[in-house]
Amino acid sequence: GAVVSQHPSRVICKSGTSVKIECRSLDFQATTMFWYRQFPKQSLMLMATSNEGSKATYEQGVEKDKFLINHASLTLSTLTVTSAHPEDSSFYICSASGDVTDTQYFGPGTRLTVL
Amino acid sequence: QKEVEQNSGPLSVPEGAIASLNCTYSDRGSQSFFWYRQYSGKSPELIMSIYSNGDKEDGRFTAQLNKASQYVSLLIRDSQPSDSATYLCAVNPIKAAGNKLTFGGGTRVLVKP
Repeated sequence: GAVVSQHPSRVICKSGTSVKIECRSLDFQATTMFWYRQFPKQSLMLMATSNEGSKATYEQGVEKDKFLINHASLTLSTLTVTSAHPEDSSFYICSASGDVTDTQYFGPGTRLTVL
Repeated sequence: QKEVEQNSGPLSVPEGAIASLNCTYSDRGSQSFFWYRQYSGKSPELIMSIYSNGDKEDGRFTAQLNKASQYVSLLIRDSQPSDSATYLCAVNPIKAAGNKLTFGGGTRVLVKP
């Protein structure tokens, strides 16, 4: 149990375009989903926390207008990187947490390369 | 002082030996503690959670929690080359909203055949 999927696993895009990443909890209802970013050889960095039906809470320094997060249902959250630039190239990972425990289950991640 | 601290390593362990990883945290009111394993280029995967003082065993892994001393550790028995990865300690501080976790920087473990 506690499976989280992400799509796509890898995306290459041109500078200036927008990219949408989906995160789904497959076998449980995720009341809270989290979006992280990880640069090579660096630690996980939390970008934002989203609760179903509410606006996301962004961490300090994360531009909410650039990283749009939608958590429309208990099984789906999306992250849209708007007007992507090469410095946005990174490994984006979502995690999901249900009601019963505070355990976070991670998706497999999406590797974004902006040319 | 970082909220969750881990030795970055690498921790080099011979195959078959016990790997011992430590993690300290600053928020005395923290209630939930997790160990994740992250292979290079992959996302973290949950090894185990621990909520009460003492030991919790799951296969070759044992988590140990001491809230009075504010540390949590992970033992890996009979280490295998496939255990070579970065191990992340995560804590849910009492002051955090929702189920937000604070992660340590990770300890890199190398198991040598």
